[in-house]
Amino acid sequence: DQQVKQNSPSLSVQEGRISILNCDYTNSMFDYFLWYKKYPAEGPTFLISISSIKDKNEDGRFTVFLNKSAKHLSLHIVPSQPGDSAVYFCAASAYSGGYQKVTFGTGTKLQVIP
Amino acid sequence: KAGVTQTPRYLIKTRGQQVTLSCSPISGHRSVSWYQQTPGQGLQFLFEYFSETQRNKGNFPGRFSGRQFSNSRSEMNVSTLELGDSALYLCASSPRDPRKVNTEAFFGQGTRLTVV
Repeated sequence: DQQVKQNSPSLSVQEGRISILNCDYTNSMFDYFLWYKKYPAEGPTFLISISSIKDKNEDGRFTVFLNKSAKHLSLHIVPSQPGDSAVYFCAASAYSGGYQKVTFGTGTKLQVIP
Repeated sequence: KAGVTQTPRYLIKTRGQQVTLSCSPISGHRSVSWYQQTPGQGLQFLFEYFSETQRNKGNFPGRFSGRQFSNSRSEMNVSTLELGDSALYLCASSPRDPRKVNTEAFFGQGTRLTVV
């Protein structure tokens, strides 16, 4: 049962335009959400996060939006740059057995075309 | 500050063998998690250790096991390897106590395991 879903395996965007990466979840107990970026041959690196008490968090070119009623979050990158080309994973965290447990999505490969 | 170090980077094993992977977390981080990454499956959570105790476990068979030492270094063991165990195994460390505050994890570069 995939509790965190990234339905678009890949996305291509022109340099300078907006990239929108989407993520859906099914577990209403998730209370913290994160986005990671992964380049080939490297481990994922943290990008931005949002708590379930907020609906938006911004950090430079990156903004994450959370719609709790729709169980949906999205990552906006504006403007997109060629260096943003990577695989993006969304992740969600919930308490399970007294401990926070993180569940990752399957990833979306973003290609920013110069 | 040194990052998360995983050794070895690449490994080729034969079906039926066992393998041990190592992870050294960032200094001061007490929480270590392990993930398996395969194409199309994303990052599948294996287990998390904090203060030498397993705190969380994913849905993997008992052939997958791990441990954490007093210096927070962690090892992951897979016994009786199967072809389907071929994957990138990622270790992540965090300064957080998994019972409390949410925070991001810091990943190593991973160990690429190929089972033939």
